[in-house]
Amino acid sequence: NAGVTQTPKFRVLKTGQSMTLLCAQDMNHEYMYWYRQDPGMGLRLIHYSVGEGTTAKGEVPDGYNVSRLKKQNFLLGLESAAPSQTSVYFCASLKMASFDGTVLGEQYFGPGTRLTVT
Amino acid sequence: GEDVEQSLFLSVREGDSSVINCTYTDSSSTYLYWYKQEPGAGLQLLTYIFSNMDMKQDQRLTVLLNKKDKHLSLRIADTQTGDSAIYFCAEKRGRLTGGGNKLTFGTGTQLKVEL
Repeated sequence: NAGVTQTPKFRVLKTGQSMTLLCAQDMNHEYMYWYRQDPGMGLRLIHYSVGEGTTAKGEVPDGYNVSRLKKQNFLLGLESAAPSQTSVYFCASLKMASFDGTVLGEQYFGPGTRLTVT
Repeated sequence: GEDVEQSLFLSVREGDSSVINCTYTDSSSTYLYWYKQEPGAGLQLLTYIFSNMDMKQDQRLTVLLNKKDKHLSLRIADTQTGDSAIYFCAEKRGRLTGGGNKLTFGTGTQLKVEL
């Protein structure tokens, strides 16, 4: 298994440009997530998906759109990039497992995409 | 992550114990996690604890949970240079399943291990 992969690894955009970040997982996980990581702020959830064809807003969804047309892929789009969107973006997928009769979710993270908007 | 707080930086000597602290505000949290992020990489799950437990030990890692004070800690015994990383606590709020299984992450603690 490749696990969770993200493309591209790095990108520099000019203000107003658009781009799509791709997240792929080969573990047949239902749930997938997009986070952004900024210094001193931890990870903040942008959007998430509980299954193919479904998406939902997270904590900081403004300026981003997502799509989950296939179970294994979760796309994050920036329609008109702004300098405030300079960040490291992480994708994750969730495995649910039973532990002593209790269902536990473990998130598996991709390596991240470093995006700079000038 | 503003509801889950951690100190930003911790420095220890190799061989000493490290204690990373986390405070959270939601008393409905069902389980809490510790994730490790090495430079240039994504987060990896280190350990977790259920909200009905006080302590969990896993080799060099000890997790302590004080529900009354909403305080979580991660103790790393015999800290090694390979433990240098950013450590995030995270909480799962509400029901055990459902609600998108979202996590709320802390701000992260940068652990530096010196020789």
